[in-house]
Amino acid sequence: GEDVEQSLFLSVREGDSSVINCTYTDSSSTYLYWYKQEPGAGLQLLTYIFSNMDMKQDQRLTVLLNKKDKHLSLRIADTQTGDSAIYFCAETRGSYIPTFGRGTSLIVHP
Amino acid sequence: GAGVSQSPSNKVTEKGKDVELRCDPISGHTALYWYRQRLGQGLEFLIYFQGNSAPDKSGLPSDRFSAERTGESVSTLTIQRTQQEDSAVYLCASSLAPLADVSTDTQYFGPGTRLTVL
Repeated sequence: GEDVEQSLFLSVREGDSSVINCTYTDSSSTYLYWYKQEPGAGLQLLTYIFSNMDMKQDQRLTVLLNKKDKHLSLRIADTQTGDSAIYFCAETRGSYIPTFGRGTSLIVHP
Repeated sequence: GAGVSQSPSNKVTEKGKDVELRCDPISGHTALYWYRQRLGQGLEFLIYFQGNSAPDKSGLPSDRFSAERTGESVSTLTIQRTQQEDSAVYLCASSLAPLADVSTDTQYFGPGTRLTVL
């Protein structure tokens, strides 16, 4: 299997919460990231979490980390049409090269 | 603009031709990365430059791929004798220093070059 796995698509209604999930295989992962890629643009770092944390909140974004299950999630509260993008989960193990998942396409419809 | 720029934004070429892709990192960023993003796939690491150190080429898929960087400035990724499987978006990213401290050494990505090999 792949090192970092994500579901490929998520569709939500505007105003609802979105939860994007990610699983990883390496228990020695040190940093875990969420990136956002809008059409025609490069990846933009949204948020990150250290492996010794369980949760991190940043305005509408909440990151949850279950280290035992190697599961990372990104919750977007009050999802807006501008949140439509591809969201990438990534992890590093103390090296300089993150390993990325395939990305989850978030589609927000009215 | 202070971001990472890449050129061209789109490149269509015929199988067997050589292509050169360019990346202009953020000024002062010592680390530069090239990734490949195939349709529906995650980012695939290709090569990493850090200052004047020897580059980490461990991700280059074949000897048809090469990259250069002059000092801490522009980098070019060259693909020789292109094949259809080389069709992808090639992304460049730069960071101030290696990702030892993610709070200060975030990777900044360019918009990518979409390569189509016919």
